[in-house]
Amino acid sequence: DQQVKQNSPSLSVQEGRISILNCDYTNSMFDYFLWYKKYPAEGPTFLISISSIKDKNEDGRFTVFLNKSAKHLSLHIVPSQPGDSAVYFCAASARERDDKIIFGKGTRLHILP
Amino acid sequence: DTGVSQDPRHKITKRGQNVTFRCDPISEHNRLYWYRQTLGQGPEFLTYFQNEAQLEKSRLLSDRFSAERPKGSFSTLEIQRTEQGDSAMYLCASSPHRGQAGELFFGEGSRLTVL
Repeated sequence: DQQVKQNSPSLSVQEGRISILNCDYTNSMFDYFLWYKKYPAEGPTFLISISSIKDKNEDGRFTVFLNKSAKHLSLHIVPSQPGDSAVYFCAASARERDDKIIFGKGTRLHILP
Repeated sequence: DTGVSQDPRHKITKRGQNVTFRCDPISEHNRLYWYRQTLGQGPEFLTYFQNEAQLEKSRLLSDRFSAERPKGSFSTLEIQRTEQGDSAMYLCASSPHRGQAGELFFGEGSRLTVL
């Protein structure tokens, strides 16, 4: 049972435009959400996180939005740059319960010149 | 480099052989995690340690898999009698646990190919 779902395996965006990556979750106990970025032959690297007490968190070009009622979060990258081409994983945990982090299957983002 | 390091980076073995992977976490991190990633999938949780104590094991982890963290520093993941289905990237991550789960810092992974 996939508790964290990324329904778009891939996404292509023009350089300079906005990239929007989506993620849905099913476990209502999740209260902490993260996005990771992964280049080929490297481990995932942490990008940005958000607690369930917030609905938005921003860090430079990256913003994560959380809609708890819809059990949906999204990552916005503005403006998109060539170095953003990578696989992006959405992840979640029940942090109050000190539970492990569960990952989605990932979305491959291609930034087009 | 003071990040998470994993060894070996790539292991090719024949079915039925045993393999062992090592992970050295970031030194001040007391939590250490093992995940497995196959093609087209995200990292799947296998097990994790708080210092030397193994706190949880996924039911994905068959009896052929064993993990240790004997002194609360480095960890090993052993797979006995490997099968072709064990072929995957084995990822280690560490975390500075401070009462709640936090972000994970991953190593570059150990890729296992079982022939």
